[in-house]
Amino acid sequence: GDSVTQMEGPVTLSEEAFLTINCTYTATGYPSLFWYVQYPGEGLQLLLKATKADDKGSNKGFEATYRKETTSFHLEKGSVQVSDSAVYFCALRDQGAQKLVFGQGTRLTINP
Amino acid sequence: EPEVTQTPSHQVTQMGQEVILRCVPISNHLYFYWYRQILGQKVEFLVSFYNNEISEKSEIFDDQFSVERPDGSNFTLKIRSTKLEDSAMYFCASSESGRVSDTQYFGPGTRLTVL
Repeated sequence: GDSVTQMEGPVTLSEEAFLTINCTYTATGYPSLFWYVQYPGEGLQLLLKATKADDKGSNKGFEATYRKETTSFHLEKGSVQVSDSAVYFCALRDQGAQKLVFGQGTRLTINP
Repeated sequence: EPEVTQTPSHQVTQMGQEVILRCVPISNHLYFYWYRQILGQKVEFLVSFYNNEISEKSEIFDDQFSVERPDGSNFTLKIRSTKLEDSAMYFCASSESGRVSDTQYFGPGTRLTVL
């Protein structure tokens, strides 16, 4: 079945550091890929998405590129801020399916 | 910006009791979903609902669970006889369409604690 694997957390960085959170997936069809973010005490918010190979999703300085050849959708940000501290979830939705399949989440803490 | 709302934010119940979790999806959305997250585990899909019918469900969504859209705005998840292992955060979500590229918008969640 479909699955998503994210890098283990927690991840702790200093402000202005470069961020990468790895995400790889397995899907039977041609999925759309998503990154969601969960700030403390809040629900899941869409951060960015990509719906076909080589598409780059971007938002709030975050980027991720849909790499079909490596089945990956790594999240990157050039310079993180304290306000980026949150849990980040990679997810996919496969063709013909209603459900999102989530990775285990990566807790990110940014220290000033 | 329109958002999905959920009530209550926290529900405590005794094992064997029935609970109803409530959600108000975004008003022009047609597809509705429930997910849950047991503490420390992945967010898991439970069920999707379209046109007053279940369109997809997971193995978790057994006979103890049911969903309903009792009026034009609410979407509910009922657990008939709660078990300890039902303790989790339950998220409602909605989307405009069923397209694979469509974004699912999530509510803030209801934390269910079964004692």
